[in-house]
This record gives sequence, structure tokens and C-alpha cells, in this order.
Amino acid sequence: SQTIHQWPATLVQPVGSPLSLECTVEGTSNPNLYWYRQAAGRGLQLLFYSVGIGQISSEVPQNLSASRPQDRQFILSSKKLLLSDSGFYLCAWSGRAGGYNEQFFGPGTRLTVL
Amino acid sequence: AQSVAQPEDQVNVAEGNPLTVKCTYSVSGNPYLFWYVQYPNRGLQFLLKYITGDNLVKGSYGFEAEFNKSQTSFHLKKPSALVSDSALYFCVLGGGSYIPTFGRGTSLIVHP
Repeated sequence: SQTIHQWPATLVQPVGSPLSLECTVEGTSNPNLYWYRQAAGRGLQLLFYSVGIGQISSEVPQNLSASRPQDRQFILSSKKLLLSDSGFYLCAWSGRAGGYNEQFFGPGTRLTVL
Repeated sequence: AQSVAQPEDQVNVAEGNPLTVKCTYSVSGNPYLFWYVQYPNRGLQFLLKYITGDNLVKGSYGFEAEFNKSQTSFHLKKPSALVSDSALYFCVLGGGSYIPTFGRGTSLIVHP
């Protein structure tokens, strides 16, 4: 069966520090991968998605970046965190048919920037 | 452009009563609709989807959803609510784009 992992589960970082969140998927090949941010326990904002290794699409201009160095690995990064980067970060994967398939979400990372 | 709306921020229901969480959509082609549930501090879990076929879709945990093309709706339902159903529910519109469109979420509170 397929599983998706995210780490760390929680993170407290000072403003201006770097960030690296990792997401890995097991049990499937060539998934579409997504990074979302959820603020205040409500709506999801799509940050990045990837349809293959090295292929990243950004949906929102910001100080975050994403990389996909391996087929089932998706990394969210920042060189300098802002207070506004605080939130709940969710990684998800779906099958190759994209929007015709359901998404499967990881457990999330709670990021607090102080 | 496609869109999805969840008109209620919060739905309150007593345990044992039926529940409905509303969703309406707008899309130029055929809709591909999904419902997800999110428990506090957890990732979203897939509940059910409508692609084609029967208008009544059955999903996990006793939930079902009714697709209504004329009313462009896809309401989530359950005949008898449980306190453990209390969570945040998202209606999502998919389709040809890799980018699904999420509703803003509806908080369901089931009172004992």
C-alpha cells in the first residue's frame, strides 16, 4: 500500500532562519506531488506542484522554493523565514491523471516562526 | 475558470440526527468532485468522489454524497451523525488541470 511521510511534525524557527521540510512517498511510482499551506485551520493554499523529477510549478510568489530530487521525494525550502510563513504545511500525492484522481495527504508539519 | 463553494462555515447537528454539508460548483466541462475530511492537526483524508455514473456516491465512514447536475451541487450526507464525525470537511473540484480547486471548508460539530 502507499504511504506518505512528512517531517518534522512540528518546528519552531526564528525569523530569518532557513527551512527545509521533507516529504517522501512509498508504494507508488511517478506520482504528482503537491505542497499546500493551511493557515488558521481553514482553507488550503497550493504552493507548488510537480509532475516529475526536477519539474516544479509555483502557484504563489513568495520566499519559498521546492525541489524534487528523486521521483518520490519533495522538499520545501526557504533561505530566510518570515513571520507570515507560519502555518500548517501539507504534502500530498496523486496518480498521473492529475485532477481526475484523489489526493493522499501526509500528516503535516506545524511551523511556527517567531 | 472553475470554482467550488461551501456556503456554510459551520454546521451543527445532534448525535444521531442526519447531517448535510453543502457544496456547489461551477465548471465548463464535466465535473470531477471529491470530499475530504480533516481532523485537528492532521492531514486530509479522502472520503469519496464522483466521476461519472450513479448520482449517489458512497464513501468511507458511512458518508455519501449526492451529485445534482441541474443544481450544480454535491452535498455530503450521513444518515446518523456521530460525535467522532466532528471535523473540517472540504469539497474539491478536479478535472483536466493538475490543480484541484478546494472549497474553503465547513466545520462540522456533532453535539452529544
